[in-house]
Amino acid sequence: DAKTTQPNSMESNEEEPVHLPCNHSTISGTDYIHWYRQLPSQGPEYVIHGLTSNVNNRMASLAIAEDRKSSTLILHRATLRDAAVYYCILVTSGTYKYIFGTGTRLKVLA
Amino acid sequence: GAGVSQSPSNKVTEKGKDVELRCDPISGHTALYWYRQSLGQGLEFLIYFQGNSAPDKSGLPSDRFSAERTGGSVSTLTIQRTQQEDSAVYLCASSLSSGLQETQYFGPGTRLLVL
Repeated sequence: DAKTTQPNSMESNEEEPVHLPCNHSTISGTDYIHWYRQLPSQGPEYVIHGLTSNVNNRMASLAIAEDRKSSTLILHRATLRDAAVYYCILVTSGTYKYIFGTGTRLKVLA
Repeated sequence: GAGVSQSPSNKVTEKGKDVELRCDPISGHTALYWYRQSLGQGLEFLIYFQGNSAPDKSGLPSDRFSAERTGGSVSTLTIQRTQQEDSAVYLCASSLSSGLQETQYFGPGTRLLVL
């Protein structure tokens, strides 16, 4: 199963942008990159996903390296409600189970 | 609309007893997944159902764990002869179908404590 590595924790000030990195050096050509986040005492929720091109939605942006071996989730203006554990997941054709790593715990400072 | 629901929300049991955890997926979702999350850890895949296909059981940690999905909808995860290391939050997710771009919608989980 393809693996991802993320920093254990990061801090950000409220209203500032946050860049959450993810390394996935063993990614294959058809693997999609998905990001989920888990707020305290809740199940994970979808944030964004992409294949090769950068992606934007109302929650965040996803920047994917040209060689696809890394990606960065960008929260443009962090709020206190964005404090959560963020997971970067590779989804492989034929097996759609998610392999979760330990994720990055984001702390947002008021 | 209604999301994924799970019951019970909390379960306390004694070591050696059997437990059943229930998941109601979003209506019309053909794929259903079970994960567990031990305290302070990431999620661990357990089992995956897609339509009428044979489930992917590759994540079940032992033969004490089993799951079924009746009528392509509700799923039950059963743990027999529970052990203390089974204590965790058990999360269910569903998606419209299986695919590289499908979104999994997670339920709130069942918190299991084995004494």
